[in-house]
Amino acid sequence: DQQVKQNSPSLSVQEGRISILNCDYTNSMFDYFLWYKKYPAEGPTFLISISSIKDKNEDGRFTVFLNKSAKHLSLHIVPSQPGDSAVYFCAAKQLRTGNTPLVFGKGTRLSVIA
Amino acid sequence: KAGVTQTPRYLIKTRGQQVTLSCSPISGHRSVSWYQQTPGQGLQFLFEYFSETQRNKGNFPGRFSGRQFSNSRSEMNVSTLELGDSALYLCASSLRSGTSGGGDTQYFGPGTRLTVL
Repeated sequence: DQQVKQNSPSLSVQEGRISILNCDYTNSMFDYFLWYKKYPAEGPTFLISISSIKDKNEDGRFTVFLNKSAKHLSLHIVPSQPGDSAVYFCAAKQLRTGNTPLVFGKGTRLSVIA
Repeated sequence: KAGVTQTPRYLIKTRGQQVTLSCSPISGHRSVSWYQQTPGQGLQFLFEYFSETQRNKGNFPGRFSGRQFSNSRSEMNVSTLELGDSALYLCASSLRSGTSGGGDTQYFGPGTRLTVL
């Protein structure tokens, strides 16, 4: 049973345009969400997170939106750059209740075309 | 400061053998978590160690085990290797226990690519 789903395995976007990566979750107990970026031959790198008490968190070109009623979050990258080409993982956990590991989605491969 | 290091980076074993992978966390980090990444399943949590104690364990068979030393370095062991164990094994460290509700950011190493023939 996959609790965190990234339904798009891949996404291609032109340089300068907006990239939108989507993530759905099924466990209503999740209250903390993270996005990680992974380049080939490297480990995932933390990008941005959001707590369930917020619906938006912004960090430079990266913004994460959370829709709790739809159990959906999205990562927006504006403007997209060729260096953003990587695999993006969405992850979730129960922060308040504790003792739960991160649950990851299967990832979306983003290709930014110059 | 130095990041998370994992050794070896690549490993080839045959079915039935056992393997030990090593992870050195960022200096000062006391939590080490292990994940298995495969193309079909994404990143799946194996276990977490904090202060030499296993804090949480994922849904993997008993062939997968781990331990943590007093200097926070961690090892994971897989016995009686199967073809399906071929994967990228990632370790991540954080300051506090990642499964204690602290929400600390986990920093990942580059991984060990294990191939079982």
